[in-house]
Amino acid sequence: GAVVSQHPSRVICKSGTSVKIECRSLDFQATTMFWYRQFPKKSLMLMATSNEGSKATYEQGVEKDKFLINHASLTLSTLTVTSAHPEDSSFYICSARAPVGRVPGGSGNTIYFGEGSWLTVV
Amino acid sequence: RKEVEQDPGPFNVPEGATVAFNCTYSNSASQSFFWYRQDCRKEPKLLMSVYSSGNEDGRFTAQLNRASQYISLLIRDSKLSDSATYLCVVNQNTGTASKLTFGTGTRLQVTL
Repeated sequence: GAVVSQHPSRVICKSGTSVKIECRSLDFQATTMFWYRQFPKKSLMLMATSNEGSKATYEQGVEKDKFLINHASLTLSTLTVTSAHPEDSSFYICSARAPVGRVPGGSGNTIYFGEGSWLTVV
Repeated sequence: RKEVEQDPGPFNVPEGATVAFNCTYSNSASQSFFWYRQDCRKEPKLLMSVYSSGNEDGRFTAQLNRASQYISLLIRDSKLSDSATYLCVVNQNTGTASKLTFGTGTRLQVTL
């Protein structure tokens, strides 16, 4: 079954509006979650590391005021794309490191991904 | 030079063929390595971790050569259902942080 859940899976919004994407760890606490973006036929690019109870760590070139990350609880991180533009249209995906024992055969070093969210800005 | 490099493919192979994917990484401080599989418009899913001693899971064999900074994935007796993009992933621990770097992926298309 799923280890990390993401919602919504697809969203269409108008230019200038904001969109919130949720990422939840299922049956385990994740003090750290990761947010990626993937353009068609491109690799996943880390946008930011979400830290529970503190500010997110953004990768170089990622605008923190545009991509707001909130990690208010040990099982939920949210990414809000503010003032969305068509060029923000992409596949956004979160991940978390599951602890040893959460997934049969998994190690404490294994990253699991949410189902991803397709954002289309029109 | 990219941190993680893969041949983007596509690799078009007939069912039953053996196919090998290669991956190189630039940071010698990288500490753990993985192959993920990503189906079209879906999230990546862990295929297998990669160890220096080599590891095998059914038809899949992964190898790591730290000296050459090279990772490989071998798929034997390929099935139609193996068609996907295979991502080479490298993890670096930097103090309190841990960073995954993804290759662009190698696309595999298995045909009848």
